[in-house]
Amino acid sequence: DTAVSQTPKYLVTQMGNDKSIKCEQNLGHDTMYWYKQDSKKFLKIMFSYNNKELIINETVPNRFSPKSPDKAHLNLHINSLELGDSAVYFCASSQLSAGGSNEKLFFGSGTQLSVL
Amino acid sequence: AQSVTQPDIHITVSEGASLELRCNYSYGATPYLFWYVQSPGQGLQLLLKYFSGDTLVQGIKGFEAEFKRSQSSFNLRKPSVHWSDAAEYFCAVNNQGGKLIFGQGTELSVKP
Repeated sequence: DTAVSQTPKYLVTQMGNDKSIKCEQNLGHDTMYWYKQDSKKFLKIMFSYNNKELIINETVPNRFSPKSPDKAHLNLHINSLELGDSAVYFCASSQLSAGGSNEKLFFGSGTQLSVL
Repeated sequence: AQSVTQPDIHITVSEGASLELRCNYSYGATPYLFWYVQSPGQGLQLLLKYFSGDTLVQGIKGFEAEFKRSQSSFNLRKPSVHWSDAAEYFCAVNNQGGKLIFGQGTELSVKP
């Protein structure tokens, strides 16, 4: 079984459309993340949820809205897609220690979003 | 602000040769440091991590890294590179708020 699975793997869409990416983890972790990897391979955190509550919200346009129906799922909805949203989006999960550190992040295999 | 710098964007080594990938960090407190590897079309996989204790840490696939506080470095090494090690390598620091900050990545190519 895949520990962190995200769908779809590829997403090609037109500017202005609304799309969602889904993520599920079966590791029993209480924290999930969305990272964006740009064309230069730079990885930057977008959001983090802990037990369905938003704990990290970086400077991301409000067209991006994460939703966590339960702690095993963290979906990413994007409204009014723009050319600059083209990137690879990675979902990840971890179990935070009592001190707040990440023992280890488990990553999904990524969703390559292409906005035309 | 915390930051991670990987000075080398791309490195090419011959198969069987030794490897060292550089990583420098900027962080006020004791850092939690990580190395991740990303194979083409895949997510990231943890190679090793440093939290405390012995400054030389061993990871998977024969990799090791050494934490040097005086140099703010956490370089990744492997004595003998295999062709399957060709990938993108990321150094990261945890700001203890649950957020991993990644370096720009180093792409490793392996010559036969």
